[in-house]
Amino acid sequence: EDQVTQSPEALRLQEGESSSLNCSYTVSGLRGLFWYRQDPGKGPEFLFTLYSAGEEKEKERLKATLTKKESFLHITAPKPEDSATYLCAVRLVGSGTYKYIFGTGTRLKVLA
Amino acid sequence: KAGVTQTPRYLIKTRGQQVTLSCSPISGHRSVSWYQQTPGQGLQFLFEYFSETQRNKGNFPGRFSGRQFSNSRSEMNVSTLELGDSALYLCASSLTGQLSYEQYFGPGTRLTVT
Repeated sequence: EDQVTQSPEALRLQEGESSSLNCSYTVSGLRGLFWYRQDPGKGPEFLFTLYSAGEEKEKERLKATLTKKESFLHITAPKPEDSATYLCAVRLVGSGTYKYIFGTGTRLKVLA
Repeated sequence: KAGVTQTPRYLIKTRGQQVTLSCSPISGHRSVSWYQQTPGQGLQFLFEYFSETQRNKGNFPGRFSGRQFSNSRSEMNVSTLELGDSALYLCASSLTGQLSYEQYFGPGTRLTVT
């Protein structure tokens, strides 16, 4: 069964304390891994797409990396405004169709 | 560039009623997908429409249906509402759904079934 697991479920960091969020997956037919940020009461905001192992993408304090079995979202020197839930999702292709599976997210709280 | 818009933002319905939610994608986007988000299950894919045709469907009962119009706007309908249908319903649009995989989400419609 295709599965996406995010860890930790929740993370509290002090401002400036760098850390990483993990998204591991056991799927077949992977055609892209996505990271989103979701603020309370809002829809997810697209951050990154990764397509192949070894790929890395950066945006401000965030850097996403991908291996064959997992992805990491590295947050460098986070600020309170980085507090949000971070979701990863995989796009799977098979039998002439495709689907997205989302992880349940990591709730990040950055303290000033 | 305007983002994805969803109406209404909040809705309260009674068990057994039906409801229609609306989604306007980003201009030029032809693919619209719908998701249900609950605290226990997270984001679950409902269905995707492209050029007025349903192209993909998740594992939801037939009470959940949708359609897409020629201007790419989409509606989702839930009939015979159940308490368990209370959720945040999100729609996401993307350029084509195949050549560009990034999805851009709307703010969602918060549905409460009493």
